[in-house]
Amino acid sequence: EVQLAESGGGLVQPGGSLRLSCAASGFTFSSYWMHWVRQTPGKGLVWVSRINGDGSSTSYADSVKGRLTISRDNAKNTLYLQMNSLRAEDTAVYYCAREQGGGIAPIDCWGQGTLVIVSS
Amino acid sequence: EIVLTQSPDFQSVTPKEKVTITCRASQSIGSSLHWYQQKPDQSPKLLIKYASQSLSGVPSRFSGSGSGTDFTLTINSLETEDAATYYCHQSRTLPLTFGGGTKVEIK
Repeated sequence: EVQLAESGGGLVQPGGSLRLSCAASGFTFSSYWMHWVRQTPGKGLVWVSRINGDGSSTSYADSVKGRLTISRDNAKNTLYLQMNSLRAEDTAVYYCAREQGGGIAPIDCWGQGTLVIVSS
Repeated sequence: EIVLTQSPDFQSVTPKEKVTITCRASQSIGSSLHWYQQKPDQSPKLLIKYASQSLSGVPSRFSGSGSGTDFTLTINSLETEDAATYYCHQSRTLPLTFGGGTKVEIK
């Protein structure tokens, strides 16, 4: 069974840092592009970042470019999101998600999400 | 950025009724449009991919159609378990984008 389990969320002050992790199981992790998508409580879904299977290609939403960094460790089947210079508007549930294909396919599996709250 | 506009924002429907949700893209995205269902306190679930392709395990009452800029998700004979928010999503170009969602409530 495909499973994605996020961790690392919590309360952080503006300007602070946090690192999210996503443990993957049930599939060949290194074969899949992976994404981070966030959702503000009560609001819609916003794409944050993606990374290809070997980690050589990454993309970001303009709102997070230069502050958030996506990476992966295929030996550990784990996806990461390093979050620096956090702002109040980064407050959201962060989902780790798997893409079905090579960079242009739908997201077909989501984790349960981890809540990040940026507040003083 | 491709903007996806869903309508309606909210729909209150009685069981067994037919539900139609539309998603309009600000520019052509071919068939790279996918539909998700999100129930309260759950993560999204892929319902329809590439505008009209059904998925294993998804009830046959869910169907999708459209191409280019105009897309439709149809739920035939709504069941109480279908109460959820439905999102469209385009994977054609970066940044990937989602529609604002349509909340379906059961009367």
